Amino acid sequence: QSALTQPASVSGSPGQSITISCTGTSSDVGGYNYVSWYQQHPGKAPKLMIYDVSNRPSGVSNRFSGSKSGNTASLTISGLQAEDEADYYCSSYTSSSVGVFGGGTKLTVL
Amino acid sequence: EVQLVQSGAEVKKPGESLKISCKGSGYSFTSYWIGWVRQMPGKGLEWMGIIYPGDSDTRYSPSFQGQVTISADKSISTAYLQWSSLKASDTAMYYCARGGAMVIRAFDIWGQGTMVTVSS
Repeated sequence: QSALTQPASVSGSPGQSITISCTGTSSDVGGYNYVSWYQQHPGKAPKLMIYDVSNRPSGVSNRFSGSKSGNTASLTISGLQAEDEADYYCSSYTSSSVGVFGGGTKLTVL
Repeated sequence: EVQLVQSGAEVKKPGESLKISCKGSGYSFTSYWIGWVRQMPGKGLEWMGIIYPGDSDTRYSPSFQGQVTISADKSISTAYLQWSSLKASDTAMYYCARGGAMVIRAFDIWGQGTMVTVSS
């Protein structure tokens, strides 16, 4: 299956909100509520930020939120902070009974 | 503490075989899926495959089917990723991650990664 489609980069100023989109098909994002989002800082392992479309794991700031409409999922980060600067990846379960990641989005905090 | 600890970095030559490991602790190893994720230098995450140690049910992403083998030894709470003949293009960081209890969903716990370098 093809990777999910994410914008290559997004940017925002401290305190602002940004949204990262993740577009798939009815065989992945649109067909299941198993969309997750990961944050990865340089040289570090990815960290789960959102699971099952909109749920936050314990310890993740409530500035991070997720949603889905049709074949597109979104990650919104409100009150942008310098430490949010990182790469973000979406992922979804698929009709092939495996998962798939998006290409990744580099978030720059201006 | 729930954690996954991976084996150390490897440097291999093309054509050699390799098996890297991922040991789980702090939870019921047989009750959660364990997946493998590749990250080539400077590139994004790629979903390779996943195994359910409880019954060894294994799934592979089409891009990796036939290229690698995923296995697990539940007696020592360890999952493995192996290659029979490495290529230079296998050079990457490989992460294992816990992938959900009954259903393959999010990867909530990640290993620290194993860097594999394949060079002549």
